[in-house]
Amino acid sequence: LAKTTQPISMDSYEGQEVNITCSHNNIATNDYITWYQQFPSQGPRFIIQGYKTKVTNEVASLFIPADRKSSTLSLPRVSLSDTAVYYCLVGASNTGGFKTIFGAGTRLFVKA
Amino acid sequence: NAGVTQTPKFQVLKTGQSMTLQCAQDMNHEYMSWYRQDPGMGLRLIHYSVGAGITDQGEVPNGYNVSRSTTEDFPLRLLSAAPSQTSVYFCASSYGGDSNQPQHFGDGTRLSIL
Repeated sequence: LAKTTQPISMDSYEGQEVNITCSHNNIATNDYITWYQQFPSQGPRFIIQGYKTKVTNEVASLFIPADRKSSTLSLPRVSLSDTAVYYCLVGASNTGGFKTIFGAGTRLFVKA
Repeated sequence: NAGVTQTPKFQVLKTGQSMTLQCAQDMNHEYMSWYRQDPGMGLRLIHYSVGAGITDQGEVPNGYNVSRSTTEDFPLRLLSAAPSQTSVYFCASSYGGDSNQPQHFGDGTRLSIL
């Protein structure tokens, strides 16, 4: 499975747009990019997933350039409640099993 | 719709004791997995199951056993607890068997081994 690299931490202020970039240079052709959010004392929660170009849902947008070697999670107008750890995962269909690798994630701290 | 339910939420054990962490899902998902999360770190895969009767090892399987007798349940057994197993344990399930399928997580079991 492709390894991902994300910033360890980021700070922002309420109302700002936050962009978290994930590098995945070894992404395979059939890999999707998935982002999760984890609050303290809770399990990770699926935010968004994409394969190429741009995906948007009610929570976030995901931008994926043509070479797919990186992706950017965009959180519009963050609030204090967006303080969490964000994980970028890259994975694909595995005939040999089901193995997901979570890195350390990006700790986002939103200030008032 | 409860999703993924883990019990207990907290547990303290003495070294050498055994116990079972319970995980149940009501979404009829074929795929279930167990992770551990140590302070300040990401999740590491312990064991996973692609369906009833089928299990396999993940990244850190030593000291843990699993079984999958039903689609709904996927218990994790600690055979002889060690302080190194102090961690937060998360169970997850997903509809499909590949890493592209979004996983649904429980809220975790916080386990301390003295």
